[in-house]
Amino acid sequence: EIVLTQSPGTLSLSPGERATLSCRASQSVGSTYLAWYQQKPGQAPRLLIFGASSRATGISDRFSGSGSGTDFTLTISRLEPEDFAVYYCQQFDSSLWTFGQGTKVEVK
Amino acid sequence: EEQLVESGGDLVKPGGSLRLSCAASGFTFSNAWMSWVRQAPGKGLEWVGRVKSKAVGETRDYAAPVKGRFTISRDDSKDTVYLQMNSLKIEDTAVYYCTTGHGWGFDFWGQGTLVTVSS
Repeated sequence: EIVLTQSPGTLSLSPGERATLSCRASQSVGSTYLAWYQQKPGQAPRLLIFGASSRATGISDRFSGSGSGTDFTLTISRLEPEDFAVYYCQQFDSSLWTFGQGTKVEVK
Repeated sequence: EEQLVESGGDLVKPGGSLRLSCAASGFTFSNAWMSWVRQAPGKGLEWVGRVKSKAVGETRDYAAPVKGRFTISRDDSKDTVYLQMNSLKIEDTAVYYCTTGHGWGFDFWGQGTLVTVSS
């Protein structure tokens, strides 16, 4: 099983600031098979990024993904009030798919 | 518009069984690889398992905590995927989502159904 470790656990930032979220895999993950989600309380997750760097339909260009191998990053260029949420990475590279434990982006 | 609607969540005693259903619409269900994802109260997302399409053998895979107890099946004539849960444990308490996508990402999610395992 590929274990995904996200850091930090919580990111305290102000609106307008830049957020950088990390996702580290226990073994190499093909870029095609790495996705990022946003989840707000009481809601289902929403796909933000697939293929490590491609934005899903309707996702703001404030969100960008990068990385390869075992290290991936989600960047939110300028935090808007609606961006404060929990973010998860996920891999599809092995037969057993897994999520990271999540990073909460909270208002400082 | 793509839609997934789960049902079947309930309160069940430890050791009991429950079957969840997920009805799909708005896309070609028979081509879709369908997954179940759960979220325990206050916790993160956990992938439970997946059934591939018939075209690629309808292969099933399960996360270690549920392997041998949970079974995913599909009925393409009804555009529905099921999650049969047996030998339920307290730690199986969670909101269960069914989900799928066009590619390597879960574009579509249901609203979730709550399973509570408690004596």
